[in-house]
Amino acid sequence: EVQLVESGGGLVQPGGSLRLSCAASGFTFSSYWMSWVRQAPGKGLEWVANIKQDGSEKYYVDSVKGRFTISRDNAKNSLYLQMNSLRAEDTAVYYCARDSTTVTPPDRFVDYWGQGTLVTVSS
Amino acid sequence: SYELTQPLSVSVALGQTARITCGGNNIGSKNVHWYQQKPGQAPVLVIYRDSNRPSGIPERFSGSNSGNTATLTISRAQAGDEADYYCQVWDSSTAWGVFGGGTKLTVL
Repeated sequence: EVQLVESGGGLVQPGGSLRLSCAASGFTFSSYWMSWVRQAPGKGLEWVANIKQDGSEKYYVDSVKGRFTISRDNAKNSLYLQMNSLRAEDTAVYYCARDSTTVTPPDRFVDYWGQGTLVTVSS
Repeated sequence: SYELTQPLSVSVALGQTARITCGGNNIGSKNVHWYQQKPGQAPVLVIYRDSNRPSGIPERFSGSNSGNTATLTISRAQAGDEADYYCQVWDSSTAWGVFGGGTKLTVL
């Protein structure tokens, strides 16, 4: 059974930092692109970042570029999101997500989601 | 950037058929994926690549995609189908995922 378990969320002041972790199990972690997707309170879903199987490619939504860093440790079956210079608008539930991808044609969707971890940025 | 438009809400009588639309420019040329999200829970994939159901998703859930509109159809709607539904595509021009704004399904 595929399981994705996030941790590390909490309350942080504007300008602060937080590191989210996601422990993966039930599948060959090193074979999949992985993502972080967030959902602000009462709002829709937003893709935040994704990372290739070997960590060699990383992509970010414009609003977090230069502030967030996605990484992975395939030996530990873990995904991370380092969040710096946090803003009020980063307040959201952050979901760890396993991507299902095809190259031709280019396509991607999330086939498994974690339960999410809440990040609140407030003074 | 590519945009997806969903109605804010759809209502359906118990046991009837609900249709949730997702509009986008020439969306029929893209693969559309659908997620169900119940209150306080993580999203769940219910349809991928327009019309495919993951294992464990009831046959009552189906999808279609043509022209400028993709549609998620839920037959014989049940109270347990009440949820927010999101469509999603991968925009190859930007190499980024796009979600629709979500539709709240109410079963009356």
